Amino acid sequence: DAGVIQSPRHEVTEMGQEVTLRCKPISGHNSLFWYRQTMMRGLELLIYFNNNVPIDDSGMPEDRFSAKMPNASFSTLKIQPSEPRDSAVYFCASSLSRGSYNEQFFGPGTRLTVL
Amino acid sequence: AQTVTQSQPEMSVQEAETVTLSCTYDTSESDYYLFWYKQPPSRQMILVIRQEAYKQQNATENRFSVNFQKAAKSFSLKISDSQLGDAAMYFCAYTGRRALTFGSGTRLQVQP
Repeated sequence: DAGVIQSPRHEVTEMGQEVTLRCKPISGHNSLFWYRQTMMRGLELLIYFNNNVPIDDSGMPEDRFSAKMPNASFSTLKIQPSEPRDSAVYFCASSLSRGSYNEQFFGPGTRLTVL
Repeated sequence: AQTVTQSQPEMSVQEAETVTLSCTYDTSESDYYLFWYKQPPSRQMILVIRQEAYKQQNATENRFSVNFQKAAKSFSLKISDSQLGDAAMYFCAYTGRRALTFGSGTRLQVQP
């Protein structure tokens, strides 16, 4: 198994630019999660999907953030416009069933730096 | 809202010794799961052990075991025979109806 795949692994951009993070979940998994990790706030859930439908987006910080899951094998997290405070590691995770009672498998993360 | 508290920002253990990492949580739900995740310097999040709240028996995975005290809402991780490769950040996590809520983490150092 390839595991959860995220791209890019590192992204450096300037304030005001649009940033798109990508995730390919494990084949057959039907739940997908986006997390953000910072020193100040730790690991936070941003949004999660079940069968490609957003179930809980209460963690999305503001309207600059949006996430989509057009099909079972691909999801994006977009920040537009980006700000320096968005600098963080963004993780995507997937699991086999709704919610997270089952193990979530994490991708390697994308380290985002906004200058 | 559920909260997860890890009161030990850093811990240190000698190789081959045993160490216990603490975690407490707050919830009004009766059905939930608890996890310990390991995050080495590579940043990869790795599941170490999982406990179902309805099970009274403590989970065990090789050198890793938990002490689950449901009434006290406590979920500690014991690492026996510590190895250099155990050095990492360890996160306690809770899930009920919503997705995972993580604690702030404990950085474990293993001294040779």
